[in-house]
Amino acid sequence: RKEVEQDPGPFNVPEGATVAFNCTYSNSASQSFFWYRQDCRKEPKLLMSVYSSGNEDGRFTAQLNRASQYISLLIRDSKLSDSATYLCVAWDSSYKLIFGSGTRLLVRP
Amino acid sequence: EAGVAQSPRYKIIEKRQSVAFWCNPISGHATLYWYQQILGQGPKLLIQFQNNGVVDDSQLPKDRFSAERLKGVDSTLKIQPAKLEDSAVYLCASSLNVDTDTQYFGPGTRLTVL
Repeated sequence: RKEVEQDPGPFNVPEGATVAFNCTYSNSASQSFFWYRQDCRKEPKLLMSVYSSGNEDGRFTAQLNRASQYISLLIRDSKLSDSATYLCVAWDSSYKLIFGSGTRLLVRP
Repeated sequence: EAGVAQSPRYKIIEKRQSVAFWCNPISGHATLYWYQQILGQGPKLLIQFQNNGVVDDSQLPKDRFSAERLKGVDSTLKIQPAKLEDSAVYLCASSLNVDTDTQYFGPGTRLTVL
């Protein structure tokens, strides 16, 4: 079983749509969680951290459910520029980032 | 502030050849990481340095991969000899310290092994 699992997609949505990604993690000792965005042929860049209380940044909302060991990312009012791969990441107890395989989002006009 | 620098950006070699990648982390960052990202997968940690010491190299295929960070700043990752399955993007990242969860990634080196 992978430590961090994501639906690979692709999610193909029209502009303005709301889309949600989920991710599950297996190591209950993981301390912090993140969503990274990776554009085609580019390096991953931190999108946002995920807190138990939820974290909102503009059109993006991330939530953590420790009891069920899953993380979610909600994107409202999708833009064409949101098209990318979204990587779910756990920071484990040995100070390593564990990446999921990513969920690909395509936003169409 | 300058980001993480890597070179070369692209490399094409034949199997059984050797190749080396270079990384210069953000100034002042004590921790440096090398990741391998195969197409369609997330980055996988190969090796982690704290200054010039290795913190974790448990996922580094040591029969063919080696890495060093002799002066605690720049780092090189070498593959010798390369196999077809080594085709991937090799990402370098750095963070302030080993217990800092924010890592900054370089642009990566895209390796193709023919």
